[in-house]
Amino acid sequence: DTGVSQDPRHKITKRGQNVTFRCDPISEHNRLYWYRQTLGQGPEFLTYFQNEAQLEKSRLLSDRFSAERPKGSFSTLEIQRTEQGDSAMYLCASSLAPGRGVHYGYTFGSGTRLTVV
Amino acid sequence: AQSVTQLGSHVSVSEGALVLLRCNYSSSVPPYLFWYVQYPNQGLQLLLKYTSAATLVKGINGFEAEFKKSETSFHLTKPSAHMSDAAEYFCAVSVGHNNDMRFGAGTRLTVKP
Repeated sequence: DTGVSQDPRHKITKRGQNVTFRCDPISEHNRLYWYRQTLGQGPEFLTYFQNEAQLEKSRLLSDRFSAERPKGSFSTLEIQRTEQGDSAMYLCASSLAPGRGVHYGYTFGSGTRLTVV
Repeated sequence: AQSVTQLGSHVSVSEGALVLLRCNYSSSVPPYLFWYVQYPNQGLQLLLKYTSAATLVKGINGFEAEFKKSETSFHLTKPSAHMSDAAEYFCAVSVGHNNDMRFGAGTRLTVKP
């Protein structure tokens, strides 16, 4: 397994355009997470999936943001009508669901850096 | 809600000196705690994790951290800094079944020759 893959690595878009990012998790991981990271800050939780079900969404995830994981494998994050404030690194991570007293931690991808001009 | 606070946004040490990066957590239930490292333009890499077993946790690259419930702390240490340790370090906490992780603001470690 090659780890968590994110595509593209960089995206420059004009304000108002739509963008879509893809994340391919580690194949045996049933959980997939999206985070946003701005310069000088820690990652902020956006949403997560267990298999194909989206189980939690942050208030940071405005109506312009939508995420899917249709077959419980790869996931996409779409931002509609991008704004300059959307410029950030978008990180994807995957893990196995926790068990009793067991937490596996997350494996992160390298991220997609979005610049809105 | 759970959270972590990292004390010091920037720490500078000399090569060979002790590294100490501070993290305090807030949680109403026993937490899972993590340290991650991030190199420029890369994702986060797990250094170590505390999951209610031993309170002293050893990780990769010679790092270790000690869980102290009485101080609600999980500080990261390394006896001797190496130039390759220069990076951003994030402390994170996770509680409950949802398991989603909350990160601190990060500490940038600089290692001087």
